[in-house]
Amino acid sequence: GESVGLHLPTLSVQEGDNSIINCAYSNSASDYFIWYKQESGKGPQFIIDIRSNMDKRQGQRVTVLLNKTVKHLSLQIAATQPGDSAVYFCAENKAGNQFYFGTGTSLTVIP
Amino acid sequence: DSGVTQTPKHLITATGQRVTLRCSPRSGDLSVYWYQQSLDQGLQFLIQYYNGEERAKGNILERFSAQQFPDLHSELNLSSLELGDSALYFCASSVFSGGGTDTQYFGPGTRLTVL
Repeated sequence: GESVGLHLPTLSVQEGDNSIINCAYSNSASDYFIWYKQESGKGPQFIIDIRSNMDKRQGQRVTVLLNKTVKHLSLQIAATQPGDSAVYFCAENKAGNQFYFGTGTSLTVIP
Repeated sequence: DSGVTQTPKHLITATGQRVTLRCSPRSGDLSVYWYQQSLDQGLQFLIQYYNGEERAKGNILERFSAQQFPDLHSELNLSSLELGDSALYFCASSVFSGGGTDTQYFGPGTRLTVL
């Protein structure tokens, strides 16, 4: 199967700092990527997506960067807040409609 | 609240038993996806249905089956349960058949415990 992996399983940041969560993918044919946030006891929640014809996309306090050359995806969270504490998954979609998810990075925000 | 509902929230059963998990997609969504999430594991795609038909299949065991009904709700049937089937089972839905920017929205999950 495809490999969508996360570089770091855990990340701790101080409140107010910026967070960067990284993700590597293996299928260069993938054309759509999503970041999800999963809080404890809840289902994954869509944060932001990006298509392969873009290299950057910004949302509210979040930015996703896509580097197709090295097959790398990152999620940047600006001014991290305690409510940002969660597990973050990247997901890759390719033809055939099957999404592949990474194992997740657990983000802890230190007040 | 994503608009996707799943029942039951928790399910405790014994090995060898059979259970049915239910999912109602967001209003207007035609696709339903099932995922399994085990402890310390990522989301494993099981199966997708689009407008009543099986659309894509992932790592779904032969003991598991699913279907999507005319009203678009879906059920995931798990039989001959084993201890290793204990996991969170998520349902997601999307508007179309998937691919492109057809974002999936997830339900709250069903926590299955097999004793």
